[in-house]
Amino acid sequence: EIVLTQSPGTLSLSPGERATLSCRASQSVSSSYLAWYQQKPGQAPRLLIYGASSRATGIPDRFSGSGSGTDFTLTISRLEPEDFAVYYCQQYGNSPFTFGPGTKVDIK
Amino acid sequence: EVQLVQSGAEVKKPGESLKISCKGSGYSFTSYWIGWVRQMPGKGLEWMGIIYPGDSDTRYSPSFQGQVTISADKTISTAYLQWSSLKASDTAMYYCARPENPYTNCVGVWGQGTLVTVSS
Repeated sequence: EIVLTQSPGTLSLSPGERATLSCRASQSVSSSYLAWYQQKPGQAPRLLIYGASSRATGIPDRFSGSGSGTDFTLTISRLEPEDFAVYYCQQYGNSPFTFGPGTKVDIK
Repeated sequence: EVQLVQSGAEVKKPGESLKISCKGSGYSFTSYWIGWVRQMPGKGLEWMGIIYPGDSDTRYSPSFQGQVTISADKTISTAYLQWSSLKASDTAMYYCARPENPYTNCVGVWGQGTLVTVSS
């Protein structure tokens, strides 16, 4: 089973600032099958990024993903008020399709 | 419109059994696996397992093997998550989910969640 670690646990930033979230895998993620999800309180997760760097339909271009192998990054170029949420990475290359523990982005 | 609609919230006592459902609509139900995800109160997402409705092939995460049963009835486009004897630690929100498209395992469609509360 691939274990994903996310850092930091919490990121306190102001609107307009840049957010950089990290996801590290215990072994290489096949074919960069790495996704990022956003979850707000009381809502189901929403797909942001798939294939490590491709934005899902309707996702603003301030969200970008990068990385390969075992190290991946989600960047939010300029935080909007609606971006304050919890972000999870997930690998879907090897069953079970494990999630990271999440990074909470909150308002400073 | 593609949708996964889950059954409503449940309140159960320890030791009771439970089966919750997830009904797919707006797409070919047998063309996509359905997965289940647990989210305990205030905690992160945990992958439980998946089922391929076409042939009922089921894969469990090691943490959930033997603890739950995943099944599906393709005739009514519905997947299920079942417990034979609930514990207080099963209290959580449970989501069903489906891949974004037939060529990927990346989840792109989520149900609204079913809250299961187990308390004496």
